Amino acid sequence: GENVEQHPSTLSVQEGDSAVIKCTYSDSASNYFPWYKQELGKRPQLIIDIRSNVGEKKDQRIAVTLNKTAKHFSLHITETQPEDSAVYFCAAAILTGGGNKLTFGTGTQLKVEL
Amino acid sequence: KAGVTQTPRYLIKTRGQQVTLSCSPISGHRSVSWYQQTPGQGLQFLFEYFSETQRNKGNFPGRFSGRQFSNSRSEMNVSTLELGDSALYLCASSSALGNEKLFFGSGTQLSVL
Repeated sequence: GENVEQHPSTLSVQEGDSAVIKCTYSDSASNYFPWYKQELGKRPQLIIDIRSNVGEKKDQRIAVTLNKTAKHFSLHITETQPEDSAVYFCAAAILTGGGNKLTFGTGTQLKVEL
Repeated sequence: KAGVTQTPRYLIKTRGQQVTLSCSPISGHRSVSWYQQTPGQGLQFLFEYFSETQRNKGNFPGRFSGRQFSNSRSEMNVSTLELGDSALYLCASSSALGNEKLFFGSGTQLSVL
């Protein structure tokens, strides 16, 4: 089955700096890669996602890049703010009409310091 | 539009007992998935239901089971609870199979003593 590895497990940056979180996946058939943000005590929320037919996607201060050959994808957050502090999870899935099973990474605790 | 609703929010049980968790998806959503979240393990897929049928299953023992009703509400049952079952159980809904966008509930925090 699919295996997703995520690094680093913790990341501390100064406000205004950029943050990068990296994930690798094992199944070359995976074609969908979402990122979820989970604030303390709250539900995971989808912040950005990318399909395998696209190499990069950007939404304001966040962007995701995908390298299918190397089987890795990354989340980039620019101009970090204290409210970006949370746990971020990457995930991979094979999208078919057969279901929505996501395989998640183990999460990155991002702390944005003033 | 109301979000995904999970009940109860917290549960405390003892080893050997069984527990039933409930999930109401977003109105109109027909796919419901369950995930177990533990510190250091991230989110692990339990199973997914669509139109009252289990469509996918993760690598959990048979003590973990679920079902979905005709109104798309879903329940998850864990029998013969073990200490290691202590976790946050998250339910997520999506509008259809193969629709990638999952919307999560706030979860049920289960503590097994």
